[in-house]
Amino acid sequence: EDQVTQSPEALRLQEGESSSLNCSYTVSGLRGLFWYRQDPGKGPEFLFTLYSAGEEKEKERLKATLTKKESFLHITAPKPEDSATYLCAVQAPNTDKLIFGTGTRLQVFP
Amino acid sequence: DTAVSQTPKYLVTQMGNDKSIKCEQNLGHDTMYWYKQDSKKFLKIMFSYNNKELIINETVPNRFSPKSPDKAHLNLHINSLELGDSAVYFCASSPGLRGEQYFGPGTRLTVT
Repeated sequence: EDQVTQSPEALRLQEGESSSLNCSYTVSGLRGLFWYRQDPGKGPEFLFTLYSAGEEKEKERLKATLTKKESFLHITAPKPEDSATYLCAVQAPNTDKLIFGTGTRLQVFP
Repeated sequence: DTAVSQTPKYLVTQMGNDKSIKCEQNLGHDTMYWYKQDSKKFLKIMFSYNNKELIINETVPNRFSPKSPDKAHLNLHINSLELGDSAVYFCASSPGLRGEQYFGPGTRLTVT
């Protein structure tokens, strides 16, 4: 069964303290892996798409990487405005539907 | 300009009532979706439409009926609302069947 697991569930960082969020997946034939950011009371905001192992994407303080079994979202020198829930999703090969993980709730303190 | 919009943002209603949520996208996308996010923030797809045709229909009670009058709109009608229907419902759209999806702001449904 296609599955996405994110860890940790919650992460508290001091401003400037770099860290990584993990997204492990099991899917037969990855069509794409997606990272989203969700602020409280809002819809998920698209960040990155990764298609093949070894691929990397960057945006400001965020960098997403992909291997055959997992993806990492690296946050370099985070700021309080990076506080949000980060969601990972994979696209299933047969149905094309997105399967989401339960997210990592990130809090960055000044 | 709002890319994917939903109305209403909040919906409070009693058990047994029928309600609708509307969604519109101005991105020119061909595919639209409905997702349900439960109290634990788990996001799960309910339906998807491509060019007004139903593509994905997850295991959702038949009290839920999506309707797509045109490519830019996908509405969700819910009959005989139950307490367990309380959740946040998100509409999304994408250029095609694959690739990134863009989400609306959500509709928080509370059934009392």
